[in-house]
Amino acid sequence: GQQLNQSPQSMFIQEGEDVSMNCTSSSIFNTWLWYKQEPGEGPVLLIALYKAGELTSNGRLTAQFGITRKDSFLNISASIPSDVGIYFCAGQLTSSGTYKYIFGTGTRLKVLA
Amino acid sequence: DTAVSQTPKYLVTQMGNDKSIKCEQNLGHDTMYWYKQDSKKFLKIMFSYNNKELIINETVPNRFSPKSPDKAHLNLHINSLELGDSAVYFCASSVGIYYGYTFGSGTRLTVV
Repeated sequence: GQQLNQSPQSMFIQEGEDVSMNCTSSSIFNTWLWYKQEPGEGPVLLIALYKAGELTSNGRLTAQFGITRKDSFLNISASIPSDVGIYFCAGQLTSSGTYKYIFGTGTRLKVLA
Repeated sequence: DTAVSQTPKYLVTQMGNDKSIKCEQNLGHDTMYWYKQDSKKFLKIMFSYNNKELIINETVPNRFSPKSPDKAHLNLHINSLELGDSAVYFCASSVGIYYGYTFGSGTRLTVV
């Protein structure tokens, strides 16, 4: 089946550093979403991207929809301790007429104060 | 007000039992979903309903049966629970099939 590979799998960074993570696939997606999940909670939508090449920001977060439509990137600037969590990308496929989102494997972010 | 609420939050049960998880959303969304998150945090879609109609049914054992009495509710019934069913189950909803989801806080199911 289709897979979304996220990298890095996990990262430890110092408070104040910038963070970059990406999501890649061999399939073409029509929409990309980025979510953050904290312990004991459901994923929370951070950014939605609907067009190839689109660059969208949400506060210190910026995400881009790759031109090839096979990848997406998320950057977090000036990280703070509350950025800790698991970040998931999700891409929407339209094959076979079903519009389901496939989730990536997640990037676990830990911020050292 | 909780947008997508699931009950119970924790469920511990013995193998072979039948259990249900309830989900309600007060967002007025048309589409609802069940996702399973395994111990490695991988999220996989199980079912999707749009206006009470089943539109996605992934390769899920027949022991799992979703029911949507109205578009604000999507319940999940599981028969003959097995150890491998232990996971966190998330309900989610969206405005339509193209848009991002709002997730509930999850139900941690432990089968012993």
